[in-house]
Amino acid sequence: DAGVIQSPRHEVTEMGQEVTLRCKPISGHNSLFWYRQTMMRGLELLIYFNNNVPIDDSGMPEDRFSAKMPNASFSTLKIQPSEPRDSAVYFCASSLGGPEQFFGPGTRLTVL
Amino acid sequence: QQPVQSPQAVILREGEDAVINCSSSKALYSVHWYRQKHGEAPVFLMILLKGGEQKGHEKISASFNEKKQQSSLYLTASQLSYSGTYFCGTEIDQAGTALIFGKGTTLSVSS
Repeated sequence: DAGVIQSPRHEVTEMGQEVTLRCKPISGHNSLFWYRQTMMRGLELLIYFNNNVPIDDSGMPEDRFSAKMPNASFSTLKIQPSEPRDSAVYFCASSLGGPEQFFGPGTRLTVL
Repeated sequence: QQPVQSPQAVILREGEDAVINCSSSKALYSVHWYRQKHGEAPVFLMILLKGGEQKGHEKISASFNEKKQQSSLYLTASQLSYSGTYFCGTEIDQAGTALIFGKGTTLSVSS
């Protein structure tokens, strides 16, 4: 079975540009999580969805970040406008309501 | 409240043992352990629930001390494949809420 799919795997952009990260969760999973990983702060939860509904977005750093889950098989995380401090690896993870979260390969974002 | 992991890094030779600790300032419902190899995604190892028993995964086991709000991960007779960064993730209230991860402990095992 395919795991969690994320695209793109690498993104290099310039400050001020819009960035959209995409995630396809494992089929049948009903929870989806977006994380950001940096050396300084570690693995931070940005937002999570349950049955396509955002449950907790308290980790979203500011209004420049937004996330959507229009259906059970697709989610996006958008940063507009992007800033150099947004550079990080962004992970998407999904679960079937149980304790185990399955992480995607991540998107490495570099904002110049 | 982000849990605190210690130590930050451990260097071992194959066959040696290690303990990684995870402490929280808040009462915990559960502790989850993940391992992340360099350049890869985190992978779930095990979960310890409040009132639950000690768990094991191969030669990796963990305990959960509810009174101390602390969990420990025990790596016995380490293998090269154990190298990576270990994260604990904590749930405060109940199952199904968001995990808060510690900053991780990097384990390096050499031959």
